[in-house]
Amino acid sequence: GAVVSQHPSWVICKSGTSVKIECRSLDFQATTMFWYRQFPKQSLMLMATSNEGSKATYEQGVEKDKFLINHASLTLSTLTVTSAHPEDSSFYICSARGTLKYSNQPQHFGDGTRLSIL
Amino acid sequence: AQKITQTQPGMFVQEKEAVTLDCTYDTSDPSYGLFWYKQPSSGEMIFLIYQGSYDQQNATEGRYSLNFQKARKSANLVISASQLGDSAMYFCAMREGPRVEAAGNKLTFGGGTRVLVKP
Repeated sequence: GAVVSQHPSWVICKSGTSVKIECRSLDFQATTMFWYRQFPKQSLMLMATSNEGSKATYEQGVEKDKFLINHASLTLSTLTVTSAHPEDSSFYICSARGTLKYSNQPQHFGDGTRLSIL
Repeated sequence: AQKITQTQPGMFVQEKEAVTLDCTYDTSDPSYGLFWYKQPSSGEMIFLIYQGSYDQQNATEGRYSLNFQKARKSANLVISASQLGDSAMYFCAMREGPRVEAAGNKLTFGGGTRVLVKP
């Protein structure tokens, strides 16, 4: 079964609205969560790394004020796309790692959110 | 320079045959991990197999095996006895960093290879 739950799976909204996407680890504590963006037929591009209780680390070129990330607990991280515009339309997917130290532990991915801004 | 390169954008494979997906990587870190993920059209990312830079043997997981050639910096995925359900995008990814600290390190993904299994 899924170990990372992402909600909603599909969002369609008007330009100018803000959209919040939730990423929850279901049966483990996720000290680190990652947010990716994927355009059609392209690879996953890391947007930011969020650590529980601290500020997110954004990748170069990602607008911090546009994509707000909150990781307030060990099981929940949220990505808010503020004042969304059509160019923000994309597939957003989160992943989480537990507190285990071993590097062979894979990141567990959510099922992704398809965001369409009209 | 790209850290992860997948040179095959797409390929067909006959059902029940084996297929090899290429992946080359670039890192100066002696400690790293290599992952393969499958992404069906529905979008979820499914973990397939892992290879650590210090692992002596090639990783295997059921029908998946990894041909790890460290000197050539390649980590090709082999899918044996292809099934129709194997049709998907396949991504190679790398995590860099010491084994203990690698727990939080980010993944860098290759461009992906689309596999279509023909009946």
